[in-house]
Formats: sequence, structure tokens, C-alpha cells
Amino acid sequence: AQSVAQPEDQVNVAEGNPLTVKCTYSVSGNPYLFWYVQYPNRGLQFLLKYITGDNLVKGSYGFEAEFNKSQTSFHLKKPSALVSDSALYFCAVRDTNSGYALNFGKGTSLLVTP
Amino acid sequence: DTAVSQTPKYLVTQMGNDKSIKCEQNLGHDTMYWYKQDSKKFLKIMFSYNNKELIINETVPNRFSPKSPDKAHLNLHINSLELGDSAVYFCASSSPGILTFGSGTRLTVV
Repeated sequence: AQSVAQPEDQVNVAEGNPLTVKCTYSVSGNPYLFWYVQYPNRGLQFLLKYITGDNLVKGSYGFEAEFNKSQTSFHLKKPSALVSDSALYFCAVRDTNSGYALNFGKGTSLLVTP
Repeated sequence: DTAVSQTPKYLVTQMGNDKSIKCEQNLGHDTMYWYKQDSKKFLKIMFSYNNKELIINETVPNRFSPKSPDKAHLNLHINSLELGDSAVYFCASSSPGILTFGSGTRLTVV
């Protein structure tokens, strides 16, 4: 099955510093990768996706992600973190065996401190 | 207009009861889903459904059943509720590609 792994339960960063949230994938065939964000008591919001093409994908709210085939990674990045970026971040991969549903990683809690 | 809406937002019920959660999408998407988010925030696909095909995650108990009266609706029926069913349930829809999620239904079984 297609899967992703998020090795960090929590990432702490100071406001204004760059942030990285890590994700690695395990797929057969070409990966379709996604990042979503969940704010407290809210549903998941789409940030960005990688299908094919440029390895650097730009998304919402200034986030970007870098697809690295040799390292099977798809890390989420932002050059300068905001306190309002504090949330739960999920990496996901499309599962072609489940009606094209997404299989999510366990989530990484991002805390940006002033 | 809310793209994917779920009702109720909160549901507290006793063990053994039968309950339903409703979901509606106004995006014109062909496929809808139900996800379960447990207390550790782990998200698990339960069902994928379009107007032709239902795909069930094999680990979902058969007490759970999706019902789709039309393309814009996918309701979740749960029979004989158990304590372990307590979770947040998310509905989502998609055209091929991006999933759009509802705001969730927090189910508490007491």
C-alpha cells in the first residue's frame, strides 16, 4: 500500500525562523503527494500537492515542499515562520487501491513561539 | 457557502444506540469519503464512494455503513455504538486530486 511517514511528533521554531516538517514516502509507481494543515477543532485544509514536474512545489500561506526522489522525501518548508502557523500538519499520499483516497501520516504538531 | 458540511457537529450517545451523521457537498465532486480521526489525531480512511462504486476499508466493522441518496450526499450510519467508536469523523469530497474536508463530527459514546 502507498504510505507516508512523519518522523517528528512535534517541531518547535521561533517566529521569523525557517521551518521544516519532514515526510518520507513509500509507494509503488509515481507518487502523488500532499500536505494538509489542521487547526484546532477544524477540518483539514489543503496546502499543496506534487504530481509531476518541478520538484519544488509552492502552496498556500507561503508554504512550499521539495520532492526528492532519491531520498523518497517530501518535506514541507517555509522561509519565515509565523505564530499563526502553529497547527497540526499532515503529509499524505494518494492510494490507488482505495478509490483514490489519501493515506495520511500520523501528523506533526508545529509550534511557533514569539 | 460551506463546500462540505456535516451535521451534527457534536454527538453524545449511549453504548448500543444507532446514530447517523450527515454529509453534503456542493462542489459537484464525483467522489466522497469518510475518515475517522482517533484521540491521537491519526486519520484513517473508512470508505470511498462515487455513484458507481463503494470501496470499504477492510478494517472497518460492518456496524458502519455509508448511504448515498444522491451524488451530493454521503451519510454514515453506525449501529450498536461502542465506546471505541468515540472519535472525530470527517467527510470529504474530491474531483480527481484534492480532497476537501468538512469540519468534522465529534462522536462521544458513553
